[in-house]
Amino acid sequence: GESVGLHLPTLSVQEGDNSIINCAYSNSASDYFIWYKQESGKGPQFIIDIRSNMDKRQGQRVTVLLNKTVKHLSLQIAATQPGDSAVYFCAEVTGTASKLTFGTGTRLQVTL
Amino acid sequence: ETGVTQSPTHLIKTRGQQVTLRCSSQSGHNTVSWYQQALGQGPQFIFQYYREEENGRGNFPPRFSGLQFPNYSSELNVNALELDDSALYLCASSQTGPYGYTFGSGTRLTVV
Repeated sequence: GESVGLHLPTLSVQEGDNSIINCAYSNSASDYFIWYKQESGKGPQFIIDIRSNMDKRQGQRVTVLLNKTVKHLSLQIAATQPGDSAVYFCAEVTGTASKLTFGTGTRLQVTL
Repeated sequence: ETGVTQSPTHLIKTRGQQVTLRCSSQSGHNTVSWYQQALGQGPQFIFQYYREEENGRGNFPPRFSGLQFPNYSSELNVNALELDDSALYLCASSQTGPYGYTFGSGTRLTVV
C-alpha cells in the first residue's frame, strides 16, 4: 500500500549546524511532496514543497531534495536555530482527492 | 486574512457517545479535509469535502461522517465513540487540492 516513512525518529543537532531529515516513500506514482513542521499543540505548518519533475527546491534556509530513483526525500535546514525544534513530516500527495499521506515524523532537537 | 479555526480545542467524551467537531476554513478556501493524528503518529486522512460534497475518503468506518456548509465551514461527526478514537483531529483547508493547505491547531479528543 501507499506509505511514507522516515529513517530517523529523533535528530539532535547543535545550534548553528545544518540539519538533514530524510524520508522514504513507496508510491512511485506520487507527483507532489510537502514538508511540514509541527510544534507542540499546533497543526502542521507548511515548509516547502516539490513536484516530481524537479529534484531540488530551495527556500529560506531550507532545501528539499527529491531522488525518484530510490524514492527518497530529504529536508535540509541551514544554520539550525532553537526555533526549528519541532516534529517534521514529509507528506505525499495521492489520489483524486489529493489526500496527504504522512509518515510518523522526525523530532528535531536543537541544543545550545 | 484569518486562518483555519477549530472548535472546541479540547474535549472529553465517554465511550459510546457521539461528538461533533467544527472547522472554519480560511477565507477563500473551498476545500476542507479532516485528519486524525494519534499520539506520536503522522496525521491520517479521514475525508475531504469540496463544494459541500464528499470528495474522497480514507480508511475510516462509516461512523465517521462529515458535512460542509455553503460558507465552506465543516463538521466532523463521530458516532459510537471508541477508546481508540482518542486523538488530535485536524482540519485543513485549501483553494484547490493540496496546494496551499492550511491546517488548524486541531481538537484534542479524549475518549474514556
